[in-house]
Amino acid sequence: SQKIEQNSEALNIQEGKTATLTCNYTNYSPAYLQWYRQDPGRGPVFLLLIRENEKEKRKERLKVTFDTTLKQSLFHITASQPADSATYLCALPLSGNTGKLIFGQGTTLQVKP
Amino acid sequence: NAGVTQTPKFQVLKTGQSMTLQCAQDMNHNSMYWYRQDPGMGLRLIYYSASEGTTDKGEVPNGYNVSRLNKREFSLRLESAAPSQTSVYFCAATSGRRETQYFGPGTRLLVL
Repeated sequence: SQKIEQNSEALNIQEGKTATLTCNYTNYSPAYLQWYRQDPGRGPVFLLLIRENEKEKRKERLKVTFDTTLKQSLFHITASQPADSATYLCALPLSGNTGKLIFGQGTTLQVKP
Repeated sequence: NAGVTQTPKFQVLKTGQSMTLQCAQDMNHNSMYWYRQDPGMGLRLIYYSASEGTTDKGEVPNGYNVSRLNKREFSLRLESAAPSQTSVYFCAATSGRRETQYFGPGTRLLVL
């Protein structure tokens, strides 16, 4: 069955450094992959979508890569700030145009000043 | 423009009680979804509705029922709550291409 894995251990980095989060998947060839941010006590918020024919996508300080051979996406936050501290979820669409997504467990990022 | 709203924000139930979680969206999206989020389990799809008048099961539908009352509203009902249903419940709606999902703030449910 389709499976998504994100590092369940929290990632602690110093302010100003680049944070890199990993999303691996198996038994699947998704047409796109999404990243969401979730703050404590709130619902997830969409950040970026990258399609299978795109190697890389950027939005301000965010960069996402998508390697369909490795079945992996990397999510980078450059010049990280304490306000970037949150849980980041990757999500893949299930087959068919239903909009159904399968989510990873999320990786919690803590940026220390 | 409130996006996706959910009520109540927090609820405590006793085992066997019933309740309905409400969700409404003002974005004119066709598709809506109910998820539950548990520690270490991530978000799991309970039910979804591709359009008004249609609903379908997700990954964990047992113990739940849904109603797509109209295009705006999608409710989740627990007929006989169990402690295993203690969780945070999120409602979401998708845009026309059914890609990006917009989530509500969540309902925190505790079943004793």
